[in-house]
Amino acid sequence: DTAVSQTPKYLVTQMGNDKSIKCEQNLGHDTMYWYKQDSKKFLKIMFSYNNKELIINETVPNRFSPKSPDKAHLNLHINSLELGDSAVYFCASTPTGALNTQYFGPGTRLTVL
Amino acid sequence: SQQGEEDPQALSIQEGENATMNCSYKTSINNLQWYRQNSGRGLVHLILIRSNEREKHSGRLRVTLDTSKKSSSLLITASRAADTASYFCATDVRGSNYKLTFGKGTLLTVNP
Repeated sequence: DTAVSQTPKYLVTQMGNDKSIKCEQNLGHDTMYWYKQDSKKFLKIMFSYNNKELIINETVPNRFSPKSPDKAHLNLHINSLELGDSAVYFCASTPTGALNTQYFGPGTRLTVL
Repeated sequence: SQQGEEDPQALSIQEGENATMNCSYKTSINNLQWYRQNSGRGLVHLILIRSNEREKHSGRLRVTLDTSKKSSSLLITASRAADTASYFCATDVRGSNYKLTFGKGTLLTVNP
């Protein structure tokens, strides 16, 4: 009965590879997000989708591409991974009318070697 | 640059003491929220205060907001070892379209 789930929890890969992280929420929320948390714990928003439409697209390299097949899922695909992509990636969701209160997933720790 | 800045960066106290963390921000907001992050986990929403509110309570948490100084504080009373975590403020900036901007966080350690 996990509210916001992410897979995988850990991802170790070589530079240059392509990888995906999946996120699902069973809360019925309309808006979903991807955040990147660096080694200093700074949390930065990357993307947001509302009902499958992209509404926030921060300054992120175009190697990162989000995909929302339906409003319960938001996946993140990363091409040509670089060392600097190593971080913890969090998915979050929020319902309409909740004053943007966000529910976070457990995070995916990505390590690029 | 990020909207919210927490102060102090780290705080170490004894169980039973109160912990106060501060957050400053730069632009007009709809609301300000505080989140907790335990080590290796996702963030958990603690409390939200709207821009027209000055103080809010939830259990052992007390949040104040001073929009004239663009600052907020989070007070945790009678702290417990289980309160050990990082605490982040997040601002819902006016006109930002569902976007929350997070500060760098305060690492609170409560010693038993």
